[in-house]
Amino acid sequence: DAKTTQPNSMESNEEEPVHLPCNHSTISGTDYIHWYRQLPSQGPEYVIHGLTSNVNNRMASLAIAEDRKSSTLILHRATLRDAAVYYCILINPLRGAGSYQLTFGKGTKLSVIP
Amino acid sequence: DSGVTQTPKHLITATGQRVTLRCSPRSGDLSVYWYQQSLDQGLQFLIQYYNGEERAKGNILERFSAQQFPDLHSELNLSSLELGDSALYFCASSPSVPPYNEQFFGPGTRLTVL
Repeated sequence: DAKTTQPNSMESNEEEPVHLPCNHSTISGTDYIHWYRQLPSQGPEYVIHGLTSNVNNRMASLAIAEDRKSSTLILHRATLRDAAVYYCILINPLRGAGSYQLTFGKGTKLSVIP
Repeated sequence: DSGVTQTPKHLITATGQRVTLRCSPRSGDLSVYWYQQSLDQGLQFLIQYYNGEERAKGNILERFSAQQFPDLHSELNLSSLELGDSALYFCASSPSVPPYNEQFFGPGTRLTVL
C-alpha cells in the first residue's frame, strides 16, 4: 500500500497562510488524496480530498503535484482554531471489498502563534 | 457536532474482560468505520461496514469483532482485554464507501483497561 510522509510539526503565525506538505511517492493512479484534521480532545474532521486536479473548499485548498507524488494542504489565513494534527491519507477505490487501507499515520501537528 | 454518536464516553474495565462499544451513524449514512487511537500508534483503521456487510478490514485483532445492524447502528466488541487495548475508539460514518465521501467522526469512547 502507498504510504504518506508528513513533517512531525509546523508553526504558523495567526492570519498568515500555511502550507502543509505530504509526500506520497508510491501513489497509484487511482489513489485519492484525503486530508483530515484532529483538534485537541476531538475526533478527526474532514478537510478536503482530490484525485488529480487542485481543489478548493470553504476550509482549505489542496494543491496536487503534476506527478501526484506530493500534495500540499493550504490554509489561507491560519486562525487559532486551526491548531490541530493534520493527516494526509491515500484511499484506493478499486481494490475491492476487504483490501483497501485507511492508514492515518502520525500526521503534522500545526501550532498557530497569536 | 458531526451527528455521529458513540456510547459510552468512558469505560474502565479489567484485563480479561469483554466490552461492547456502540455507534449510531449520521442519519442516512450507510457506511460505518471503527478506529483505534493510542498514544504510540496514532490513528489505526480497524474495520468498515456498508449497509450491514463487512467491506474492509484494517489492523483489527482476532479478539475484536464488530457488526452493523439493520437499523445501521454498529457495535465493536473487544474481548480478553489487555492493558495495551487502552485507547480512544472512534466510530465514523459516511453516505457511501471510500474514497468518494468524507467520513464524519464521533466523539470517541475512551477505554481504560486496568
